Amino acid sequence: IAGITQAPTSQILAAGRRMTLRCTQDMRHNAMYWYRQDLGLGLRLIHYSNTAGTTGKGEVPDGYSVSRANTDDFPLTLASAVPSQTSVYFCASSVSSGSGTDTQYFGPGTRLTVL
Amino acid sequence: GQNIDQPTEMTATEGAIVQINCTYQTSGFNGLFWYQQHAGEAPTFLSYNVLDGLEEKGRFSSFLSRSKGYSYLLLKELQMKDSASYLCAVRDDDYKLSFGAGTTVTVRA
Repeated sequence: IAGITQAPTSQILAAGRRMTLRCTQDMRHNAMYWYRQDLGLGLRLIHYSNTAGTTGKGEVPDGYSVSRANTDDFPLTLASAVPSQTSVYFCASSVSSGSGTDTQYFGPGTRLTVL
Repeated sequence: GQNIDQPTEMTATEGAIVQINCTYQTSGFNGLFWYQQHAGEAPTFLSYNVLDGLEEKGRFSSFLSRSKGYSYLLLKELQMKDSASYLCAVRDDDYKLSFGAGTTVTVRA
């Protein structure tokens, strides 16, 4: 079934540890995104990629890095996790970076707890 | 920055109608989206408006007034499965989505 997968589903992490959240899509979408969702704040864009080989910063990029080596994969790395990075992380993709009714499709999310 | 406001919670009875309002002030406008998100799940696309007026899709309709920076999502003939959060999102000049905090709708029997 076509779609977006994320791994892990959930993770408890000690502060200071490095962590990579994985995201893979099989829809051949050009654009991919990482959001975090916190209670009362809604979804906030962390990083995005309009096409393979390019990335950009969103609203809350500090403490996170991404890479886009190919069309399908868009991993998000926390170099040294802090408790404020406790959140639910959603990966999304869209056909392009935004035109007409181009819709973002979301993965199932990763629930991350940093202690 | 982007400012997107929607009510935090709404409660309605099964079979009734609920209207979720969204007001926005953003750097540019290239469309407004509504997403539905059930607890513990991913957001899923409901509707898209870029021109003023009403878009109808079955029991769900979405309205947009660009001059007023205002949209609403209308849910008719409410069903228990409609209990969810509804997210308003605006696509700005950089073609990035900014989301409101979401409105949690509870449908009571």
